[in-house]
Amino acid sequence: AQSVTQPDIHITVSEGASLELRCNYSYGATPYLFWYVQSPGQGLQLLLKYFSGDTLVQGIKGFEAEFKRSQSSFNLRKPSVHWSDAAEYFCAVVGASKIIFGSGTRLSIRP
Amino acid sequence: ETGVTQSPTHLIKTRGQQVTLRCSSQSGHNTVSWYQQALGQGPQFIFQYYREEENGRGNFPPRFSGLQFPNYSSELNVNALELDDSALYLCASSLGAGGLNTGELFFGEGSRLTVL
Repeated sequence: AQSVTQPDIHITVSEGASLELRCNYSYGATPYLFWYVQSPGQGLQLLLKYFSGDTLVQGIKGFEAEFKRSQSSFNLRKPSVHWSDAAEYFCAVVGASKIIFGSGTRLSIRP
Repeated sequence: ETGVTQSPTHLIKTRGQQVTLRCSSQSGHNTVSWYQQALGQGPQFIFQYYREEENGRGNFPPRFSGLQFPNYSSELNVNALELDDSALYLCASSLGAGGLNTGELFFGEGSRLTVL
């Protein structure tokens, strides 16, 4: 069965510091993987996606993610965070006409 | 370009009642999917409609049902409300039957349902 695990419920980083949010997935075939961001009171916005090919994918707002099949991971990174990056981040996997979201990681930014 | 709009934004119901939530999809999009997001959780996929037919469903009981209209707007209906149905209900629109697979989902801001 498909599943997505985001081990970190809440992360706080200083503005200007680097960021890595973890995502582990379980899926039998080659997964379609996504990262979404949700700001307070808002719907979700797609940051980036992986279907195949280059395992390092670039997204909007300076985010990138790396697909590692051997570790079943799709971690999200940003070299330097901004206060406006404070939000909830969700990893998701698609397959068999279903999309499964992780439980999310809340990112706080320390001034 | 008109984004995804949902109504109502907030509502309160009591156990056993029925509720209808509405969603207008983004201009040009013919696919709508619905999600339930409980507090502190990720969205859970309820179902997807493409050209007025349900073409994907998550693990939700039959009392969760939907409709898609010829203009591609959509409704989510929940019968016999339970306390655990309290959540934010999100609608997303996309283009094509495979919209879910592409991940190109455009979300509305949601309808927050409280069941007392």
